[in-house]
Amino acid sequence: GAVVSQHPSWVICKSGTSVKIECRSLDFQATTMFWYRQFPKQSLMLMATSNEGSKATYEQGVEKDKFLINHASLTLSTLTVTSAHPEDSSFYICSAETASFYDEQYFGPGTRLTVT
Amino acid sequence: GENVEQHPSTLSVQEGDSAVIKCTYSDSASNYFPWYKQELGKGPQLIIDIRSNVGEKKDQRIAVTLNKTAKHFSLHITETQPEDSAVYFCAASNPAGGTSYGKLTFGQGTILTVHP
Repeated sequence: GAVVSQHPSWVICKSGTSVKIECRSLDFQATTMFWYRQFPKQSLMLMATSNEGSKATYEQGVEKDKFLINHASLTLSTLTVTSAHPEDSSFYICSAETASFYDEQYFGPGTRLTVT
Repeated sequence: GENVEQHPSTLSVQEGDSAVIKCTYSDSASNYFPWYKQELGKGPQLIIDIRSNVGEKKDQRIAVTLNKTAKHFSLHITETQPEDSAVYFCAASNPAGGTSYGKLTFGQGTILTVHP
């Protein structure tokens, strides 16, 4: 149980284009989902917290107009990187919080974004 | 905000030996402490967690201890196997007052290598 999927697993896009990443909780409902960014050999940095049906809460320093988050249902959240640039290249990981324990998070497999 | 320090950054052991990774946290309000294992190119996998009302928790070869007074917690892996080789992250959850979720703050990670 508690499986989280992400799609795509990797994507290459050209500078200036937008990319959408999907995060789904497959066998449970997630009222809250989180988006993280991870650079090589570094830890996970929280970008934003997404609650179903409401606006996402972004961490300090994260541009909300660049990283658009939509949490349309209890099993799906999307992250759109708009006008991507090479410095946005990174490993993006989502997690979903189970309703049974409010702070227990399960992570997706991650999406490798490369902007050329 | 919360700050989590993790040591050591790298740990090399022989198969069958024990491995110990330690973390300290700064916010006394934190009450949930998960440990994640991350293999190369994959998302973090929850391996064990502990809450502030418990001092120790064990699951087969893995155990976690928590000292709330000193604000530190540790991961213990016994009888290590080559497949235990991965990056391990500790985290602390600092639930914001009145919300239904807790944001995780991660440690810097420990690269564990188990030599056959």
